[in-house]
Amino acid sequence: GAVVSQHPSRVICKSGTSVKIECRSLDFQATTMFWYRQFPKQSLMLMATSNEGSKATYEQGVEKDKFLINHASLTLSTLTVTSAHPEDSSFYICSARDAGGVPNTQYFGPGTRLTVL
Amino acid sequence: GEDVEQSLFLSVREGDSSVINCTYTDSSSTYLYWYKQEPGAGLQLLTYIFSNMDMKQDQRLTVLLNKKDKHLSLRIADTQTGDSAIYFCAESINSGYALNFGKGTSLLVTP
Repeated sequence: GAVVSQHPSRVICKSGTSVKIECRSLDFQATTMFWYRQFPKQSLMLMATSNEGSKATYEQGVEKDKFLINHASLTLSTLTVTSAHPEDSSFYICSARDAGGVPNTQYFGPGTRLTVL
Repeated sequence: GEDVEQSLFLSVREGDSSVINCTYTDSSSTYLYWYKQEPGAGLQLLTYIFSNMDMKQDQRLTVLLNKKDKHLSLRIADTQTGDSAIYFCAESINSGYALNFGKGTSLLVTP
């Protein structure tokens, strides 16, 4: 099946630093990738939709200057949390849409646990 | 967006059937999905159903869809301890490209 990887799986950083999270589709091309945030015992909250070669579309309430998204190729999207603060600590999950697979189905990465001290 | 509703917790004994229910919001959703999340991991697609179907069976999994009531259910037959996880239902929104998730049902399977 379609595989999506994320790197790193876990990161701890100091407040004020920036953190980059990579999302890769390993065996398919993903024209669209999605970034979600999940709080403990909560559902996934869609942050933004990332289309290859164009600017990301952010959901209401998500700061685009805070969460920088780059989708430079059909297999890679990156999320950079700029000037991270403790309230940014969360589980970040990406997904990728396989345009050639089951219609409109997203395949999820394993997630990145971000802890900001 | 509006909430996709799920019961938060379900406990069953090994070998019994589990039924997880979900009420979704968008009557125009083309596809409805069930995802499984194990602790500290991402989401694994379990199954999906197209909106013009009433039922779909895939091995131990049976999905029932009631479009009139916007109700979706997932039945797991012969539930095993390895099925213990959080199960999310999701509806496709925004022309099918994005997903709206429920809060997840935590399934505990006891020996």
